[in-house]
Amino acid sequence: AAGVIQSPRHLIKEKRETATLKCYPIPRHDTVYWYQQGPGQDPQFLISFYEKMQSDKGSIPDRFSAQQFSDYHSELNMSSLELGDSALYFCASSLQASWEQYFGPGTRLTVT
Amino acid sequence: KQEVTQIPAALSVPEGENLVLNCSFTDSAIYNLQWFRQDPGKGLTSLLLIQSSQREQTSGRLNASLDKSSGRSTLYIAASQPGDSATYLCAVSAVGGATNKLIFGTGTLLAVQP
Repeated sequence: AAGVIQSPRHLIKEKRETATLKCYPIPRHDTVYWYQQGPGQDPQFLISFYEKMQSDKGSIPDRFSAQQFSDYHSELNMSSLELGDSALYFCASSLQASWEQYFGPGTRLTVT
Repeated sequence: KQEVTQIPAALSVPEGENLVLNCSFTDSAIYNLQWFRQDPGKGLTSLLLIQSSQREQTSGRLNASLDKSSGRSTLYIAASQPGDSATYLCAVSAVGGATNKLIFGTGTLLAVQP
């Protein structure tokens, strides 16, 4: 069965650079979520989209932005990167009707 | 504000033992509760999903229960195996909005000794 695809899997950036993370949800899933997991921490909700509209926002810095496109894939754009942005970034998708979230393998971002 | 706590933070058991992981949450207005497994540096694998109207779910050697009114869930693992070693996370889905974000607990690190 198709799963959530995230790219890239690993990304190394320097401080103040920009990064773009991509997420391809399971086919026919209409909802996408982004989570950030710092070292030794539990995942924290960043932002979600339903039918290409932003639905909910968590503790996402103003330096980050995201959108969901017409084909339902989503991109998380991160600017002016800081050392503290180093983390695993997960994307999850779901069908609004069922709510069960399926997670991608994550993108490991390292900021040096 | 919803807070999710997991006890114990770490657990080490010999192979073959049955074990229980605990999860508690402060706000009973949840839509569902999911249990996940996470291997070191890896993604989250969904183990079980319990809707708020359900009391328990079973999958193989795993059984999860939910007592929404008391804000508690347990994950029971029968006949543990070394391959079960991982971090187990519970997450609750809050009611409201077009999307339901998950709020995670801090996890239980399980080590099953051969």
